[in-house]
Amino acid sequence: DGGITQSPKYLFRKEGQNVTLSCEQNLNHDAMYWYRQDPGQGLRLIYYSQIVNDFQKGDIAEGYSVSREKKESFPLTVTSAQKNPTAFYLCASSPTGGAITETQYFGPGTRLLVL
Amino acid sequence: AQSVAQPEDQVNVAEGNPLTVKCTYSVSGNPYLFWYVQYPNRGLQFLLKYITGDNLVKGSYGFEAEFNKSQTSFHLKKPSALVSDSALYFCAVRLNQAGTALIFGKGTTLSVSS
Repeated sequence: DGGITQSPKYLFRKEGQNVTLSCEQNLNHDAMYWYRQDPGQGLRLIYYSQIVNDFQKGDIAEGYSVSREKKESFPLTVTSAQKNPTAFYLCASSPTGGAITETQYFGPGTRLLVL
Repeated sequence: AQSVAQPEDQVNVAEGNPLTVKCTYSVSGNPYLFWYVQYPNRGLQFLLKYITGDNLVKGSYGFEAEFNKSQTSFHLKKPSALVSDSALYFCAVRLNQAGTALIFGKGTTLSVSS
């Protein structure tokens, strides 16, 4: 998982509450990504960012928001509009995001549970 | 539509036997294919990727994968399985388009028995 940290490891959300998942990387990568993992469904892309102050929606962006104010940080907020937030959330990064041959490297993940 | 399929939810092999985890893809243009492994409650670890060139790609931990363009497949293989190889394996494809992220298969659980 080296170079990418996610916190917290476990997060509990109360109904109607917004929560923020942290992702930090020290790999000097330009591109960062957020994926959601549900059992038997693989990984699905929520948001990605190729450069600071720019990001694009992925396949399942509804109920989520992101910011990219610093190169090394890409926090994900799970809003109250996300009705089924229980999942394992994975952050990834790659050097530029523009080269299609690049490898993405993943953080250790955050498990979000609803109280 | 661009997609990746892993037709087996679970693969069971005995330690010391060869293993194969299957992956097929459907993309337009040239595919860029990746294999990742995930241990319980951990992030994904990169194993190997196919970009171009030799159809047999060697990766980490003794794994290799064979790209077959005519069958649109990218099966993961290892000559001799270890119990420690037991994990969840994901195949992924990167579209031939800059600025896009990976499309993942649903994953295959590999169980190696001693």
